Amino acid sequence: DTAVSQTPKYLVTQMGNDKSIKCEQNLGHDTMYWYKQDSKKFLKIMFSYNNKELIINETVPNRFSPKSPDKAHLNLHINSLELGDSAVYFCASSPRLAVWETQYFGPGTRLLVL
Amino acid sequence: TQLLEQSPQFLSIQEGENLTVYCNSSSVFSSLQWYRQEPGEGPVLLVTVVTGGEVKKLKRLTFQFGDARKDSSLHITAAQPGDTGLYLCAGTGTASKLTFGTGTRLQVTL
Repeated sequence: DTAVSQTPKYLVTQMGNDKSIKCEQNLGHDTMYWYKQDSKKFLKIMFSYNNKELIINETVPNRFSPKSPDKAHLNLHINSLELGDSAVYFCASSPRLAVWETQYFGPGTRLLVL
Repeated sequence: TQLLEQSPQFLSIQEGENLTVYCNSSSVFSSLQWYRQEPGEGPVLLVTVVTGGEVKKLKRLTFQFGDARKDSSLHITAAQPGDTGLYLCAGTGTASKLTFGTGTRLQVTL
C-alpha cells in the first residue's frame, strides 16, 4: 500500500531518446509535484499540479512536459534527452495547495543519460 | 531568488555525540520544514516551524526557527547510527513552493 509510487526506479538511456516517468499517489491528495535532485543532492522543484491544473513551472526546458490525467497521477515526459538531464527525479504529493502542508515523496527515479 | 545555505555540508561523528546543523538565508520565510532523506529513498518530513523563535522537539531532535524567520537549526542529542542520512531544510516564501537548502550529510558511526 505504497503512498506515492514511481516507475521506473532506474532508467538508463541514450542521448536524444524520449522517455516517460510515471507517478501515482493513493492518498487522495489534491496537489502533486515533480522535483529534480542533482548529483550534489540539491533538490529543486520543477512542476506542481493542483486538481490536474498546472500551478508551477519552474523555468524547466520545454523538452520536459508533465501530464496529469487525473488527481492521482502525474507523469513526466522528457524529449531529446541530454547528458545534463541525468539526476534523480522525485514525485511528491500534498493534501492541498498550501506550502505548509506535508509533502509525501516517492522513492525516486534514477535517470542516467549516456 | 531565495537561497538556503546549510552548514556543515558533511558531518561524521561517533555514536553518543551531539551535533547542530544550521540553515541560513538572507530572505524571510513564512515557515520552514526539515526533512531527512535516506539513501535510495525520498525525503521524509520531520517537522514544520512557523513562528519566529519557535522551538520544537522530536525525541532527541530539537528544531529552532530564528526570531527573524531567516534561519533555523537542528540539534541532535546523543546521535545514533539510525540518525545517518541527508538532512534538508526547506522554506516557504512568497511563491507557493518549497525552496530546499543545500543539504547536510550526517554519518554516525559506532
